[in-house]
Parts: sequence; C-alpha cells; structure tokens
Amino acid sequence: DGGITQSPKYLFRKEGQNVTLSCEQNLNHDAMYWYRQDPGQGLRLIYYSQIVNDFQKGDIAEGYSVSREKKESFPLTVTSAQKNPTAFYLCASSRPGTGVLDTQYFGPGTRLTVL
Amino acid sequence: ILNVEQSPQSLHVQEGDSTNFTCSFPSSNFYALHWYRWETAKSPEALFVMTLNGDEKKKGRISATLNTKEGYSYLYIKGSQPEDSATYLCAFFTGTASKLTFGTGTRLQVTL
Repeated sequence: DGGITQSPKYLFRKEGQNVTLSCEQNLNHDAMYWYRQDPGQGLRLIYYSQIVNDFQKGDIAEGYSVSREKKESFPLTVTSAQKNPTAFYLCASSRPGTGVLDTQYFGPGTRLTVL
Repeated sequence: ILNVEQSPQSLHVQEGDSTNFTCSFPSSNFYALHWYRWETAKSPEALFVMTLNGDEKKKGRISATLNTKEGYSYLYIKGSQPEDSATYLCAFFTGTASKLTFGTGTRLQVTL
C-alpha cells in the first residue's frame, strides 16, 4: 500500500538534546512538508521541499533542520535551539503538477515531548 | 502570514442533526481552498478542493460552498453520524510551491 510513514509515534527527549523525526513516503511524490500542531492552533509549516536536494523554510523554521537526500525521505531534526519543541509533528507529501489542485497526503504524526 | 480562521472551534451535535461550519480566508489573490477531515488517531484526509467562486462540492452527506469575493467557505454535514466525528480543517492555497495555510479546525463530535 502506498502511503507516508512517520516514526516513532511517540518520542521523548531530554532538554538540550537534538532529535530526528523520520518521514518516508512511497507515493513517488516530489514535494514533502513538515508541520507542527499545538493545542488551539492550526498546522504550521516548518520546512518544505519541492525536489531532492532542495528545501525551503516555512513559517516557523527556527530551531529545526531538514535534509532531502532521497525522494522518499524527508527527516526533520529538532535541535536544542528550538525553545518550545513539545508538539505534534505531521509530515505530508504532494505531487506538484496539478497546480491549485495539489492535495497533500499526511502521515500519522509523531508526538514529541521534551522532559 | 495569511490569516485563515474557522468557526466554531468545536461543535457537539446528536446523531441525525445537520450542521455547518465556516472557514474565512483572505479574499484577495485567491487560488484555491482545501478541506480536510482529521479523525482521531488517523491522518488528515482531503475532502474537497475548491477553486471557483460559487463552487459547490459534495461527497455523500458532506458538502461545501465557496464565496471568494467575501472570503468564506461553508462545510455542511446532513444527518450527522458518529463516524463524522473528526476535526475539519480548511487550508488556503498560497500559490507558492503548493503551500497551504491551515485554519485552526472545527472539532465535531456526534453522539447517539
């Protein structure tokens, strides 16, 4: 089955540690996205990538880093510089080319808790 | 940052009730509005993509309308069922790199 996987589902880290969240897709989509959700807020875009080896900052990129070495993978690193990292993180992908109709497909998410 | 607002924040209805909620977005430089349904413990799934003023989309008991001149979209659910319980998200297509700006969502709970 085609889809997007994120691992782990729950992640705990100590303050001051970097942690990497995994996102893999087998939909053959070119574009991938990372969002963060906090209580009472909409999904906010952290980083996005339209093609391998290229990515751009979203609205809240500070304290995060990404890489896009393979089409199917877009890992997100939450660094110790992120002041408030406890949140729910969603990864998505889309197949750009249909313009405004580009629907995003989402993974199941990772809940990160900083202890 | 674009402002996309949804109301109400949450809604509790009984089975069989019909309900509707609103998404407000900037009326200038409109490209498209997306609706997603996000059930608990699942991934958000696309419902509709709306592009033209006056557009109306329907999927079973769920339908949506679009007014781009005044900057709002309504989502209607006719005869709500418990399986309709979810958070409904609208997202404004920004026209750049397929980026979407999401609203905060409306959480719908349907009880027997």
